[in-house]
Amino acid sequence: GDSVTQMEGPVTLSEEAFLTINCTYTATGYPSLFWYVQYPGEGLQLLLKATKADDKGSNKGFEATYRKETTSFHLEKGSVQVSDSAVYFCALGDTGNQFYFGTGTSLTVIP
Amino acid sequence: DAGVTQSPTHLIKTRGQHVTLRCSPISGHKSVSWYQQVLGQGPQFIFQYYEKEERGRGNFPDRFSARQFPNYSSELNVNALLLGDSALYLCASSSPDSPLHFGNGTRLTVT
Repeated sequence: GDSVTQMEGPVTLSEEAFLTINCTYTATGYPSLFWYVQYPGEGLQLLLKATKADDKGSNKGFEATYRKETTSFHLEKGSVQVSDSAVYFCALGDTGNQFYFGTGTSLTVIP
Repeated sequence: DAGVTQSPTHLIKTRGQHVTLRCSPISGHKSVSWYQQVLGQGPQFIFQYYEKEERGRGNFPDRFSARQFPNYSSELNVNALLLGDSALYLCASSSPDSPLHFGNGTRLTVT
Protein backbone atom coordinates (compact mmCIF):
# COMPACT_ATOMS: atom_id res chain seq x y z
CA GLY A 1 0.00 0.00 0.00
CA ASP A 2 0.88 3.67 -0.12
CA SER A 3 3.21 4.96 2.56
CA VAL A 4 5.65 7.72 3.48
CA THR A 5 8.97 7.36 5.27
CA GLN A 6 10.32 10.48 6.84
CA MET A 7 13.63 11.38 8.40
CA GLU A 8 13.46 11.03 12.15
CA GLY A 9 14.21 13.90 14.45
CA PRO A 10 14.55 15.84 16.44
CA VAL A 11 16.61 18.27 14.42
CA THR A 12 18.29 21.23 16.09
CA LEU A 13 19.85 23.97 13.97
CA SER A 14 21.30 27.38 14.53
CA GLU A 15 19.56 30.34 12.96
CA GLU A 16 20.51 30.86 9.28
CA ALA A 17 21.63 27.23 8.89
CA PHE A 18 20.59 25.10 5.91
CA LEU A 19 17.74 22.65 6.46
CA THR A 20 17.05 19.33 4.77
CA ILE A 21 14.36 16.91 5.92
CA ASN A 22 14.29 13.71 3.91
CA CYS A 23 11.09 12.08 2.72
CA THR A 24 10.58 9.04 0.51
CA TYR A 25 7.34 7.47 -0.56
CA THR A 26 5.82 4.26 -1.86
CA ALA A 27 2.77 4.51 -4.09
CA THR A 28 0.95 2.35 -6.58
CA GLY A 29 -0.45 5.22 -8.63
CA TYR A 30 0.46 8.83 -9.27
CA PRO A 31 0.05 10.62 -5.98
CA SER A 32 0.37 14.24 -5.04
CA LEU A 33 2.97 15.07 -2.42
CA PHE A 34 2.75 17.58 0.39
CA TRP A 35 4.60 19.07 3.31
CA TYR A 36 2.53 20.13 6.30
CA VAL A 37 3.74 22.02 9.37
CA GLN A 38 2.32 21.78 12.88
CA TYR A 39 2.95 24.39 15.53
CA PRO A 40 2.40 23.50 19.20
CA GLY A 41 -1.26 23.13 20.09
CA GLU A 42 -2.42 23.61 16.52
CA GLY A 43 -3.60 21.56 13.59
CA LEU A 44 -1.62 20.97 10.44
CA GLN A 45 -1.02 23.77 7.97
CA LEU A 46 -0.18 23.15 4.35
CA LEU A 47 3.36 24.34 3.63
CA LEU A 48 3.78 23.31 0.00
CA LYS A 49 2.69 20.75 -2.54
CA ALA A 50 3.62 19.12 -5.84
CA THR A 51 1.16 17.25 -8.00
CA LYS A 52 3.36 15.51 -10.56
CA ALA A 53 6.91 14.38 -11.21
CA ASP A 54 9.54 17.14 -11.43
CA ASP A 55 7.17 19.73 -9.95
CA LYS A 56 8.76 21.97 -7.35
CA GLY A 57 6.63 23.23 -4.52
CA SER A 58 7.75 26.34 -2.66
CA ASN A 59 6.50 28.61 0.10
CA LYS A 60 8.05 30.88 2.74
CA GLY A 61 11.57 29.98 1.57
CA PHE A 62 10.92 26.23 1.77
CA GLU A 63 11.22 24.08 -1.34
CA ALA A 64 10.68 20.44 -2.28
CA THR A 65 10.91 18.70 -5.66
CA TYR A 66 8.85 15.67 -6.63
CA ARG A 67 11.43 13.10 -7.76
CA LYS A 68 9.80 10.07 -9.28
CA GLU A 69 13.08 8.32 -10.08
CA THR A 70 14.14 8.35 -6.42
CA THR A 71 10.56 8.41 -5.00
CA SER A 72 11.55 11.36 -2.86
CA PHE A 73 10.22 14.75 -1.81
CA HIS A 74 12.89 16.26 0.43
CA LEU A 75 12.18 19.55 2.17
CA GLU A 76 14.87 22.25 2.06
CA LYS A 77 15.36 25.78 3.27
CA GLY A 78 18.47 27.81 2.77
CA SER A 79 18.38 29.83 5.98
CA VAL A 80 16.13 28.82 8.86
CA GLN A 81 14.70 31.21 11.43
CA VAL A 82 13.62 30.69 15.03
CA SER A 83 10.01 31.01 13.86
CA ASP A 84 10.46 27.88 11.71
CA SER A 85 10.59 25.75 14.85
CA ALA A 86 7.74 23.25 14.47
CA VAL A 87 6.98 19.67 13.48
CA TYR A 88 7.07 18.96 9.75
CA PHE A 89 5.07 16.18 8.12
CA CYS A 90 5.55 14.75 4.66
CA ALA A 91 2.32 13.42 3.16
CA LEU A 92 1.10 11.57 0.11
CA GLY A 93 -2.38 12.10 -1.28
CA ASP A 94 -3.83 9.33 -3.40
CA THR A 95 -6.39 9.69 -6.16
CA GLY A 96 -9.19 9.20 -3.64
CA ASN A 97 -7.87 12.12 -1.61
CA GLN A 98 -6.86 9.87 1.26
CA PHE A 99 -3.64 11.12 2.79
CA TYR A 100 -0.77 9.11 4.23
CA PHE A 101 1.52 10.96 6.62
CA GLY A 102 5.04 10.39 7.80
CA THR A 103 5.81 10.30 11.50
CA GLY A 104 6.90 13.93 11.57
CA THR A 105 10.24 15.65 12.14
CA SER A 106 10.59 18.09 14.99
CA LEU A 107 12.73 21.10 14.16
CA THR A 108 14.15 23.47 16.76
CA VAL A 109 16.03 26.55 15.59
CA ILE A 110 18.17 28.26 18.20
CA PRO A 111 19.26 31.91 18.00
CA ASP B 1 -12.95 33.20 5.54
CA ALA B 2 -13.40 30.86 8.47
CA GLY B 3 -11.24 27.80 8.44
CA VAL B 4 -12.17 24.33 9.57
CA THR B 5 -13.67 24.51 13.04
CA GLN B 6 -13.79 21.66 15.52
CA SER B 7 -15.50 21.27 18.85
CA PRO B 8 -14.82 20.73 21.61
CA THR B 9 -11.13 21.61 21.80
CA HIS B 10 -10.47 19.35 24.76
CA LEU B 11 -12.37 16.43 26.22
CA ILE B 12 -11.80 14.03 29.08
CA LYS B 13 -13.73 10.75 29.13
CA THR B 14 -13.66 7.52 31.10
CA ARG B 15 -13.05 4.10 29.62
CA GLY B 16 -16.24 2.57 28.25
CA GLN B 17 -17.92 5.89 27.57
CA HIS B 18 -18.74 7.24 24.14
CA VAL B 19 -17.79 10.54 22.59
CA THR B 20 -19.00 12.73 19.72
CA LEU B 21 -16.67 15.15 18.02
CA ARG B 22 -17.87 17.82 15.64
CA CYS B 23 -16.45 19.54 12.60
CA SER B 24 -17.53 22.36 10.29
CA PRO B 25 -15.70 22.51 6.98
CA ILE B 26 -14.53 25.52 5.06
CA SER B 27 -17.41 27.10 3.19
CA GLY B 28 -17.74 25.45 -0.22
CA HIS B 29 -15.88 22.30 0.74
CA LYS B 30 -18.02 19.20 0.38
CA SER B 31 -15.51 16.62 1.58
CA VAL B 32 -14.63 16.03 5.21
CA SER B 33 -11.99 13.65 6.50
CA TRP B 34 -11.12 12.54 10.01
CA TYR B 35 -7.64 11.67 11.24
CA GLN B 36 -6.30 10.39 14.54
CA GLN B 37 -2.94 11.72 15.69
CA VAL B 38 -1.35 9.90 18.58
CA LEU B 39 1.33 11.84 20.43
CA GLY B 40 4.61 11.75 18.53
CA GLN B 41 3.10 10.22 15.40
CA GLY B 42 1.69 11.41 12.12
CA PRO B 43 -2.06 11.57 11.54
CA GLN B 44 -3.76 8.29 10.64
CA PHE B 45 -6.75 8.26 8.29
CA ILE B 46 -10.08 7.26 9.85
CA PHE B 47 -12.86 8.31 7.46
CA GLN B 48 -13.62 10.40 4.44
CA TYR B 49 -17.09 11.67 3.57
CA TYR B 50 -18.19 13.41 0.42
CA GLU B 51 -21.72 14.63 -0.21
CA LYS B 52 -22.88 12.74 2.89
CA GLU B 53 -21.55 9.41 1.67
CA GLU B 54 -18.61 7.50 3.08
CA ARG B 55 -15.84 7.45 0.48
CA GLY B 56 -13.08 5.85 2.49
CA ARG B 57 -12.39 4.13 5.76
CA GLY B 58 -9.08 3.51 7.45
CA ASN B 59 -8.02 0.59 9.58
CA PHE B 60 -10.05 1.43 12.67
CA PRO B 61 -12.50 -0.78 14.60
CA ASP B 62 -16.26 -0.56 14.25
CA ARG B 63 -16.37 1.44 17.48
CA PHE B 64 -15.52 4.39 15.26
CA SER B 65 -18.29 5.80 13.11
CA ALA B 66 -19.02 9.08 11.41
CA ARG B 67 -21.59 10.90 9.40
CA GLN B 68 -21.92 14.03 7.30
CA PHE B 69 -24.90 16.33 7.34
CA PRO B 70 -26.63 18.23 4.49
CA ASN B 71 -24.65 21.37 5.41
CA TYR B 72 -21.44 19.27 5.04
CA SER B 73 -20.58 19.43 8.72
CA SER B 74 -19.59 16.12 10.25
CA GLU B 75 -19.53 14.14 13.46
CA LEU B 76 -17.12 11.46 14.57
CA ASN B 77 -18.43 9.02 17.16
CA VAL B 78 -16.35 6.64 19.20
CA ASN B 79 -18.04 4.04 21.41
CA ALA B 80 -16.66 1.96 24.28
CA LEU B 81 -13.63 4.20 24.69
CA LEU B 82 -10.27 2.62 25.41
CA LEU B 83 -7.19 4.23 26.91
CA GLY B 84 -5.54 3.87 23.51
CA ASP B 85 -8.13 6.16 21.94
CA SER B 86 -6.46 9.11 23.66
CA ALA B 87 -5.23 11.29 20.82
CA LEU B 88 -5.68 14.48 18.88
CA TYR B 89 -8.56 14.04 16.43
CA LEU B 90 -8.20 16.16 13.36
CA CYS B 91 -10.86 17.09 10.88
CA ALA B 92 -9.94 18.24 7.40
CA SER B 93 -12.03 19.57 4.57
CA SER B 94 -11.25 19.74 0.90
CA SER B 95 -12.65 20.37 -2.53
CA PRO B 96 -11.72 18.48 -5.71
CA ASP B 97 -9.04 21.01 -6.61
CA SER B 98 -7.63 21.70 -3.16
CA PRO B 99 -5.55 19.78 -0.66
CA LEU B 100 -6.63 19.04 2.89
CA HIS B 101 -7.23 21.98 5.19
CA PHE B 102 -7.09 20.97 8.82
CA GLY B 103 -8.81 22.26 11.91
CA ASN B 104 -6.94 22.63 15.20
CA GLY B 105 -8.28 19.33 16.44
CA THR B 106 -9.99 17.92 19.50
CA ARG B 107 -7.69 16.62 22.21
CA LEU B 108 -9.35 13.52 23.70
CA THR B 109 -8.05 12.05 26.92
CA VAL B 110 -9.44 8.72 28.10
CA THR B 111 -8.82 7.87 31.76
